Amino acid sequence: GAVVSQHPSRVICKSGTSVKIECRSLDFQATTMFWYRQFPKQSLMLMATSNEGSKATYEQGVEKDKFLINHASLTLSTLTVTSAHPEDSSFYICSAKKNTNEKLFFGSGTQLSVL
Amino acid sequence: KQEVTQIPAALSVPEGENLVLNCSFTDSAIYNLQWFRQDPGKGLTSLLLIQSSQREQTSGRLNASLDKSSGRSTLYIAASQPGDSATYLCAVLDDKIIFGKGTRLHILP
Repeated sequence: GAVVSQHPSRVICKSGTSVKIECRSLDFQATTMFWYRQFPKQSLMLMATSNEGSKATYEQGVEKDKFLINHASLTLSTLTVTSAHPEDSSFYICSAKKNTNEKLFFGSGTQLSVL
Repeated sequence: KQEVTQIPAALSVPEGENLVLNCSFTDSAIYNLQWFRQDPGKGLTSLLLIQSSQREQTSGRLNASLDKSSGRSTLYIAASQPGDSATYLCAVLDDKIIFGKGTRLHILP
C-alpha cells in the first residue's frame, strides 16, 4: 500500500521560533496533500489543501502567513509554523492522495509542543 | 455546509461482541466515505473506503456500509478484540474532506 512519511514525529521548541514539518509520499505521486491539526480529544480539522505547483488553499480561520505550506514536488509538502506560540501546540497530520476519488493516506503525525 | 456526526461518542463492549458504529452526513453529494482508526497520539490508519457508487466494503472482521440517500454509514466490527480499542473516525469527501469527531471504542477483556 501507499506510504506517507511525516517528520519529525515530535518537536519541542521555544516560543517565537519556526518549525518545519515534512510530508512525503514514498511510493506514489501525490497530486493533492492536506494538512490537519488536532487538539486533544477533538476532531481532526482541515487546515489547508495543497496542489503541487500552486498556492495552498487555506480553510477559514487559518492564518496563511503563520502556517506556510509549500508543495514543491509531487512527493513532498512542507508545513512551517512561523513564530510559534504555546497555543500552536497541537498534533499536526498530513495526508496525500493520487487522484480525486482515491483513498487518503496519512502520515503518522507530528506532536508540536511550544514552550 | 457538510457536517459529519458520529454516534456514539464513546462505547465500551465486552470482548467477543459484535458492534456497530454510526456516521451521518448532511449533504449526500459526496465522492466517497472513508473509515479510519486512530490510536492515542498516533496518525490515522485507513480501514475502509467506500466510493459514492458503492454500498459496502469488507475487510476481515470489518464491514462498512453506505446509504447516500439517507446520509448514513455504519462500521460493523465482528467478534471484537481488545486490540480493536481505538478511536474510529469517518470522513466524507466532497470538495473537501470533513471528519466526524470520532467514536472512542473500548473493548473490555
